[in-house]
Amino acid sequence: NAGVTQTPKFQVLKTGQSMTLQCAQDMNHEYMSWYRQDPGMGLRLIHYSVGAGITDQGEVPNGYNVSRSTTEDFPLRLLSAAPSQTSVYFCASKEEGTGELFFGEGSRLTVL
Amino acid sequence: ILNVEQSPQSLHVQEGDSTNFTCSFPSSNFYALHWYRWETAKSPEALFVMTLNGDEKKKGRISATLNTKEGYSYLYIKGSQPEDSATYLCASGSGGYNKLIFGAGTRLAVHP
Repeated sequence: NAGVTQTPKFQVLKTGQSMTLQCAQDMNHEYMSWYRQDPGMGLRLIHYSVGAGITDQGEVPNGYNVSRSTTEDFPLRLLSAAPSQTSVYFCASKEEGTGELFFGEGSRLTVL
Repeated sequence: ILNVEQSPQSLHVQEGDSTNFTCSFPSSNFYALHWYRWETAKSPEALFVMTLNGDEKKKGRISATLNTKEGYSYLYIKGSQPEDSATYLCASGSGGYNKLIFGAGTRLAVHP
């Protein structure tokens, strides 16, 4: 049981480049979410999804797109990266019974 | 934007000391209060999910209480050990059932 898997773990981009952070979970959780973590700040919710075909915005959605075509996958897209998007990104899925979030290992993104 | 505040920001204690942290959250539209333990270079892991006013949960030497009417939760660690060193995050569902808002965390260092 792999849990929540994120790729890549590290990425360096130039301003204006696009990329996709991948997230997959094998726990059959309906709810998945993306957070970013910056120094001195808590995890901030970017986007979330309550099931395949359904997505919604979190606290800081600007500059990011998501889609949810399957229960297992929830990719996060940066269409035109900016230095302000330098951060560590965490994907999480939620166990419906307990409400607990299960996090991936994080993806460290640097935008130059 | 709903604020979840944690105090203190950091804490240094000696092995064997008992300690506690505070999480303050908006009391209106409350759904749940989560506590997570986040060790360096790892992913956050759930400690407790609490939903009822007056709720108290315990896991080994760690316990938590919840006051939803006044909007605070306490996390207690009895007899701290070096392996308890981590950042402790709380998160409130006051932003909605699917929008878990995190505080900035309390960083605990337990010295032998």
